[in-house]
Amino acid sequence: EVQLVQSGAEVKKPGESLKISCKGSGYSFTSYWIGWVRQMPGKGLEWMGIIYPGDSDTRYSPSFQGQVTISADKSISTAYLQWSSLKASDTAMYYCARHLSPIGYSGSYPDYWGQGTLVTVSS
Amino acid sequence: VIWMTQSPSLLSASTGDRVTISCRMSQGISSYLAWYQQKPGKAPELLIYAASTLQSGVPSRFSGSGSGTDFTLTISCLQSEDFATYYCQQYYSSPYTFGQGTKLEIK
Repeated sequence: EVQLVQSGAEVKKPGESLKISCKGSGYSFTSYWIGWVRQMPGKGLEWMGIIYPGDSDTRYSPSFQGQVTISADKSISTAYLQWSSLKASDTAMYYCARHLSPIGYSGSYPDYWGQGTLVTVSS
Repeated sequence: VIWMTQSPSLLSASTGDRVTISCRMSQGISSYLAWYQQKPGKAPELLIYAASTLQSGVPSRFSGSGSGTDFTLTISCLQSEDFATYYCQQYYSSPYTFGQGTKLEIK
């Protein structure tokens, strides 16, 4: 059974750093893209970016490029989303999601999702 | 970046109704479109991929159609558990953008 288990809720102050995690199990972690989706309070889904743990190839949405860092440690089947300096506007639920690529195509879509990590940034 | 217009943003319906949700792309994406359902406080769940292929375990009352720039999600006979928010997403090119969402509420 495919499972993605995310780290727990975080409360941080503006300017602090943060790294949240997503541990995959039940599938070959290095053979699928895994990415992050933001959902701000009461709002829709925003695709942030993905990483291929097999070779660490990473793609970001222009909206999030330079604002966050996506990484993965294939030795422990875990993906990460990291901020170096949080802002109040980073307050949101963050979901990790395994991405599935159709055979012969480079694009991919989320097929399994983690439970979400709530990040609250407040002074 | 491919932009998408999902409509309506709010849909009121009754159990047993047939409803449709639309998604229009700013450029053609072939059939590289997925649909998701999200219930309050829960992660989204995949309903349909490749515009019309039902994910395993999804009831057959859900169906998807379209290609190129215009896509539709249809729920043929609404059940109580279907009242939720629905999103389309294109995966033709990165960034894999989502539609704005359609909240399906009980009339």
